[in-house]
Amino acid sequence: DTAVSQTPKYLVTQMGNDKSIKCEQNLGHDTMYWYKQDSKKFLKIMFSYNNKELIINETVPNRFSPKSPDKAHLNLHINSLELGDSAVYFCASSQDPDYGYTFGSGTRLTVV
Amino acid sequence: AQSVSQHNHHVILSEAASLELGCNYSYGGTVNLFWYVQYPGQHLQLLLKYFSGDPLVKGIKGFEAEFIKSKFSFNLRKPSVQWSDTAEYFCAVSNQGGKLIFGQGTELSVKP
Repeated sequence: DTAVSQTPKYLVTQMGNDKSIKCEQNLGHDTMYWYKQDSKKFLKIMFSYNNKELIINETVPNRFSPKSPDKAHLNLHINSLELGDSAVYFCASSQDPDYGYTFGSGTRLTVV
Repeated sequence: AQSVSQHNHHVILSEAASLELGCNYSYGGTVNLFWYVQYPGQHLQLLLKYFSGDPLVKGIKGFEAEFIKSKFSFNLRKPSVQWSDTAEYFCAVSNQGGKLIFGQGTELSVKP
C-alpha cells in the first residue's frame, strides 16, 4: 500500500514539450507539496496545496502549473520544457506540516 | 530568511566508525527539526524529529540527534555505522509556517 505515489517514475522528453506528473496520496492528509531536487541533491519547495487550495507558491516559472482536483491528488503540469527543468520532482503530503511530510518515490525528469 | 546549513558535503567512514553530521539553522522563533535519509535511488524517509521536550531524540536504525537551542544546532549521531547507512542525509526545519526548509544534504559513504 503506497502512501504517496507518483507517476511516472522516469520521464525523458524533448525541449519544448508539455508534460505532466501525477501524485496521489491515500493517507487522508489535507496538505500536499511539490519539491524539486536538483543535480546537487538540493531540495526546494515549489508548491503547496491545502484541501485543493494553493497556499505556497515559491518563485517558480509560470510554465509550471499545479492542479489539485481533490485533496488526495496534486498533479504538476509543465509547459515548454527546458533543459534546466531536468531534476527529480518529489511529491509529499502531511496532515500537519509542522510534524513532517511523507514523500513519494520521485519522478526523474530528463529534458534533452 | 530562514535557512538550514549542513557543514559536511561528503563524509567517508569505515564500518563501525562513529558518525556525527552537523546541522545549523537560522530562525529565532520556535522550530520543529527533522532528519531525513535518502538511500540511493529512493525517496526521503524520516529518521527522527524534534518538537519539544527532551533535546536528545532517538530515531530509527540507531540514529539520534541533539537539539542545542543556544547553538541553533541539531546534529545527527550514530555510534557505529554500517555499510547499509550509505545514503544522503538531510536536515530540515519547519517554522510553523507550513513549509519544510531543507539543508543542502550530506552524502555519507561507508566502506565495508
